[in-house]
Amino acid sequence: KNQVEQSPQSLIILEGKNCTLQCNYTVSPFSNLRWYKQDTGRGPVSLTIMTFSENTKSNGRYTATLDADTKQSSLHITASQLSDSASYICVVSARNNAGNMLTFGGGTRLMVKP
Amino acid sequence: GAGVSQSPSNKVTEKGKDVELRCDPISGHTALYWYRQRLGQGLEFLIYFQGNSAPDKSGLPSDRFSAERTGESVSTLTIQRTQQEDSAVYLCASSRAVSGANVLTFGAGSRLTVL
Repeated sequence: KNQVEQSPQSLIILEGKNCTLQCNYTVSPFSNLRWYKQDTGRGPVSLTIMTFSENTKSNGRYTATLDADTKQSSLHITASQLSDSASYICVVSARNNAGNMLTFGGGTRLMVKP
Repeated sequence: GAGVSQSPSNKVTEKGKDVELRCDPISGHTALYWYRQRLGQGLEFLIYFQGNSAPDKSGLPSDRFSAERTGESVSTLTIQRTQQEDSAVYLCASSRAVSGANVLTFGAGSRLTVL
């Protein structure tokens, strides 16, 4: 069964600090992995998308890594800001022709405090 | 439109009533997904449409749930005889196609509260 596990479930950090969110998956055959940010009361918004051959990808203060061998990804947030407070969702796509090929993690709820 | 539009944004209903939620995807997006998100929980797949193909209904939790889509445009999610357990945010997302690295664009969701 395809699964995506995220840790920690929730995290509180001080503004300006860095943090790293983890995503472990057992999705096969793997196609790509995406990180989404979901602000409270809003729909998720894509941050990064990584394919099998990519090890790291940055989007501003967000840096995602992917280890396809260990089936792990991380999202590193540098110099956190209050606006980073949100849920971060890891989504893994399987390489097939079925519509429901996306497996969502439960998300990490990040709170950045001043 | 510029984004995925969902309506209503909030709906409060009494147990046993039917509700209809609407999703306007981005023009040109052939794939459309419905997800349910309970308070503090992750996204739960409900149904998927791709062009004129038969929809993937494997995520619908019961026969009280149904969804329609007209061509590659508007979709409606209908919940009949609502129960308190149906209270959640219902998110719609669309993308250009089903395969590859196409990114889902989500709407803001419809928050349903069943009293």
